[in-house]
Amino acid sequence: DSGVTQTPKHLITATGQRVTLRCSPRSGDLSVYWYQQSLDQGLQFLIQYYNGEERAKGNILERFSAQQFPDLHSELNLSSLELGDSALYFCASSVGGSGYTFGSGTRLTVV
Amino acid sequence: EDKVVQSPLSLVVHEGDTVTLNCSYEVTNFRSLLWYKQEKKAPTFLFMLTSSGIEKKSGRLSSILDKKELFSILNITATQTGDSAVYLCAVDRGSTLGRLYFGRGTQLTVWP
Repeated sequence: DSGVTQTPKHLITATGQRVTLRCSPRSGDLSVYWYQQSLDQGLQFLIQYYNGEERAKGNILERFSAQQFPDLHSELNLSSLELGDSALYFCASSVGGSGYTFGSGTRLTVV
Repeated sequence: EDKVVQSPLSLVVHEGDTVTLNCSYEVTNFRSLLWYKQEKKAPTFLFMLTSSGIEKKSGRLSSILDKKELFSILNITATQTGDSAVYLCAVDRGSTLGRLYFGRGTQLTVWP
């Protein structure tokens, strides 16, 4: 157990739907990062939050959004889902900018 | 555009062999280079390298960084079947660029 908790582990949903992925960082970590891993793209950075504020944005689609709550857990919202959004979604946390620890991921399948 | 290129993309060896995995990079605002091992799900941390020429070791694994030539290698000696995994190289680019920029990985398969 890495200390980073992601739920759910698996999610199957239909095109056009909306889902929410949840991440609880390691105790004491203020930064949360979201990554998408697909077979053809590898691990791609989506977005980073630090202590509740957005810090950096990567290749995140406009249909996707995220937030970090006062208790430091984070949610990634994916809407108007397309088949191509099927992927593994990882959350990672760190203390400041070092010691990144990954959660076990959420496997999203859009059918 | 930032690049992290790993080679080879895949490698098949027999137990006991020694392997060298390569990672070259061209990124803005380099802070450190990290190696991860990914078996079934979560990438697990292996090494973080910030200084050139200083080898980091953990058991049969070792890694070194060359900041002049912009590359790193990961060595695994006396490979075991449990070393079979995807090995990922990532560069930490600092907070405003979204820290970790990953290469595509090297798929290592170790046959008994």
